[in-house]
Amino acid sequence: GAVVSQHPSRVICKSGTSVKIECRSLDFQATTMFWYRQFPKQSLMLMATSNEGSKATYEQGVEKDKFLINHASLTLSTLTVTSAHPEDSSFYICSAPAGGSYNEQFFGPGTRLTVL
Amino acid sequence: AQTVTQSQPEMSVQEAETVTLSCTYDTSESDYYLFWYKQPPSRQMILVIRQEAYKQQNATENRFSVNFQKAAKSFSLKISDSQLGDAAMYFCAYRSAYSGGGADGLTFGKGTHLIIQP
Repeated sequence: GAVVSQHPSRVICKSGTSVKIECRSLDFQATTMFWYRQFPKQSLMLMATSNEGSKATYEQGVEKDKFLINHASLTLSTLTVTSAHPEDSSFYICSAPAGGSYNEQFFGPGTRLTVL
Repeated sequence: AQTVTQSQPEMSVQEAETVTLSCTYDTSESDYYLFWYKQPPSRQMILVIRQEAYKQQNATENRFSVNFQKAAKSFSLKISDSQLGDAAMYFCAYRSAYSGGGADGLTFGKGTHLIIQP
């Protein structure tokens, strides 16, 4: 199947700093990618849809100025958590649809963000 | 908005036995996709099985099968001959079929933690 990577896998930062997380589709192109957030022992919640060449679409309740998304190319989307605070600590997962009849989404391995 | 409900936070089954995980959903759409994903301790999401709403036949993938009841908006997962490697969180998920390129985000249930007893 198609492969999606994320970098870094873990990041620890101080409160008030910004953190960038990369999501790459390694063997296919993706005009759309999705960003999810998963708190401990909870489900994945869709945060936003990243669109290559246009603005991201954010789900209700997600602050677009805090979670900046840039879909720089057909294989790369980045999520920047700006002015991070401890409540932003979470597991962030991206996914990308790989086309085909199901347009199956392939998930990255996730990034664990800890804000001190 | 669509919602997905998994009412079993945790299930336990003896190795080699069969277990069924429940999922119900709510939607006003007539065409959509349903999925079961597995999330082992590594946190990597793995697709287990998928079902298109317009298909009446239940999907099967080796030891995994679903019971899709569209009118009841129910989508349960049956795991036969449970193996130790099946231990994981299982998430039921919904995706609309109406977006232009089929590229819609997934709506997930809260998950069921499956424990396999040796």
